[in-house]
Amino acid sequence: EPEVTQTPSHQVTQMGQEVILRCVPISNHLYFYWYRQILGQKVEFLVSFYNNEISEKSEIFDDQFSVERPDGSNFTLKIRSTKLEDSAMYFCASSVDLGNSPLHFGNGTRLTVT
Amino acid sequence: DAKTTQPNSMESNEEEPVHLPCNHSTISGTDYIHWYRQLPSQGPEYVIHGLTSNVNNRMASLAIAEDRKSSTLILHRATLRDAAVYYCILRWNNQGGKLIFGQGTELSVKP
Repeated sequence: EPEVTQTPSHQVTQMGQEVILRCVPISNHLYFYWYRQILGQKVEFLVSFYNNEISEKSEIFDDQFSVERPDGSNFTLKIRSTKLEDSAMYFCASSVDLGNSPLHFGNGTRLTVT
Repeated sequence: DAKTTQPNSMESNEEEPVHLPCNHSTISGTDYIHWYRQLPSQGPEYVIHGLTSNVNNRMASLAIAEDRKSSTLILHRATLRDAAVYYCILRWNNQGGKLIFGQGTELSVKP
């Protein structure tokens, strides 16, 4: 069964550094998402992406964050200057359509900012 | 965003059925009812979804009230591997189709 893959599984970075989290969504999917989950807290929506543009973003997704689909397969989340509070699990998800389709999630990248 | 209400936690015995309730009294006509679960240290996993009619798949069944203001996820025979946090979420058919996760129901399964 096709799945969403995320790399790396764990990323350690120093405060102020840029990080890029990578995702390969399922190949025929059109809608892409990033979520994050701080340890012990709920899963939070960051951004949705369709047709090469952001369709919606949360308050968390400020100017430090950006997303890109640089080619036909990858979907990336960039954090320009990481802060300690960016430490979290970051999940990528994709779906083939909207309401009547499930979201398929990757297993996440654990980002640790020191 | 239309909200859902779930109990914080539930307990079940292994090999017994589990009924996980969800209230969504402000649901709109185009909202689909989705259920996901998150096992420890894993990403959310799709379980089932529906609009108006009851749905069955290999993982679970979804019973939707006639007025659509509530639904119940049914695990027919709970196993230890079903211990997880279960989320009931309304998925819009517009605005990017984001899912908004609440606290969910933490299901524990006793052997």
